[in-house]
Amino acid sequence: SAVISQKPSRDICQRGTSLTIQCQVDSQVTMMFWYRQQPGQSLTLIATANQGSEATYESGFVIDKFPISRPNLTFSTLTVSNMSPEDSSIYLCSSDSRSTDTQYFGPGTRLTVL
Amino acid sequence: DAKTTQPPSMDCAEGRAANLPCNHSTISGNEYVYWYRQIHSQGPQYIIHGLKNNETNEMASLIITEDRKSSTLILPHATLRDTAVYYCIAYFSNSGYALNFGKGTSLLVTP
Repeated sequence: SAVISQKPSRDICQRGTSLTIQCQVDSQVTMMFWYRQQPGQSLTLIATANQGSEATYESGFVIDKFPISRPNLTFSTLTVSNMSPEDSSIYLCSSDSRSTDTQYFGPGTRLTVL
Repeated sequence: DAKTTQPPSMDCAEGRAANLPCNHSTISGNEYVYWYRQIHSQGPQYIIHGLKNNETNEMASLIITEDRKSSTLILPHATLRDTAVYYCIAYFSNSGYALNFGKGTSLLVTP
């Protein structure tokens, strides 16, 4: 199985600032995914990041608010820009694993915006 | 991906088998049934998946009906650490697409 780490694990930020979340996979993967989980809710897909191309965003999420980088096959970042309290959520990254037909998840980044 | 339906919550006594149902009546022939769980605010954890045949691993068993319209995840001897939200997802394996999470079933294992 793939092992995925995220940094930071949690943060408390002021409104109007930006936070970049890092996601590191211990093996090369094709697709990486970013999700948001608002308090008491299920996971919602933000975007899909394929190495070497622009990320594909889901309806309701835009690049200016959530810019994503995917510089290589093991790493991706998600930036939450110009934050407001409504951005307080857990942000999760995941990747596919062709060897096991399974997607694995990082531990999540708990963001609180004041 | 086919829509799945799960009960919002279930209880189970510690040491007993937990049987979590899932309906996926519109599942297509190539869609697998995947189960994940999320223990309070942690990242979702993969449990098991299957296409047609019943599957078993060290965590759980997956029973899929012959018509594939429903399935049951079985935790044979539930422990307090199995308290979590369990998600049943119909998914085209190796499609390159993300998993589509519904609301899941909140399982409470009681002493």
